Amino acid sequence: QQQVKQSPQSLIVQKGGISIINCAYENTAFDYFPWYQQFPGKGPALLIAIRPDVSEKKEGRFTISFNKSAKQFSLHIMDSQPGDSATYFCAASRATDYKLSFGAGTTVTVRA
Amino acid sequence: ETGVTQTPRHLVMGMTNKKSLKCEQHLGHNAMYWYKQSAKKPLELMFVYNFKEQTENNSVPSRFSPECPNSSHLFLHLHTLQPEDSALYLCASSQDQGTYGYTFGSGTRLTVV
Repeated sequence: QQQVKQSPQSLIVQKGGISIINCAYENTAFDYFPWYQQFPGKGPALLIAIRPDVSEKKEGRFTISFNKSAKQFSLHIMDSQPGDSATYFCAASRATDYKLSFGAGTTVTVRA
Repeated sequence: ETGVTQTPRHLVMGMTNKKSLKCEQHLGHNAMYWYKQSAKKPLELMFVYNFKEQTENNSVPSRFSPECPNSSHLFLHLHTLQPEDSALYLCASSQDQGTYGYTFGSGTRLTVV
């Protein structure tokens, strides 16, 4: 059973535009929600993460929005750049657990 | 490099071969993981080791055999694989309970012919 559902599978955005990726989870015990960025030929790298005690976290052009009641969280990439073209994975885990559950990934293509 | 090194980067093996994947982390982390990444699917957790003790085997077929001799090294021994086992195999490490995020290696691209 997939514990984290991610959409869309892929998206194309123009340079300077906003990329939005959505994730939903079922397990209410999850309390850590990271996003990973993966470039071709590389492993995923931690991009930004949020805990459920806040509704939004921003780091540079990347923002996580978190809706605890809806069990949803999303990644917004503002002013998207060609260098942001990558696959993005959302994930979730419990503080008492070593295991991260990942979404299926979203391939983002930023057109110049 | 991220601090987690995986070798080899690419591996082609026949179904009757035996090979091993190696992972080494230089971060002082105490937990290490093997994940399988297939196209358009979520990363699949295979094994978890905490202080070199296996704490998770996510119903992985016995043709995959992990080994963790110490907290810095992790191996995945492969034998009699199937073509559907072709994938990117990722090693990761973390400190404590993983809530500070994993550090992944660049993976081994495995092709079974």
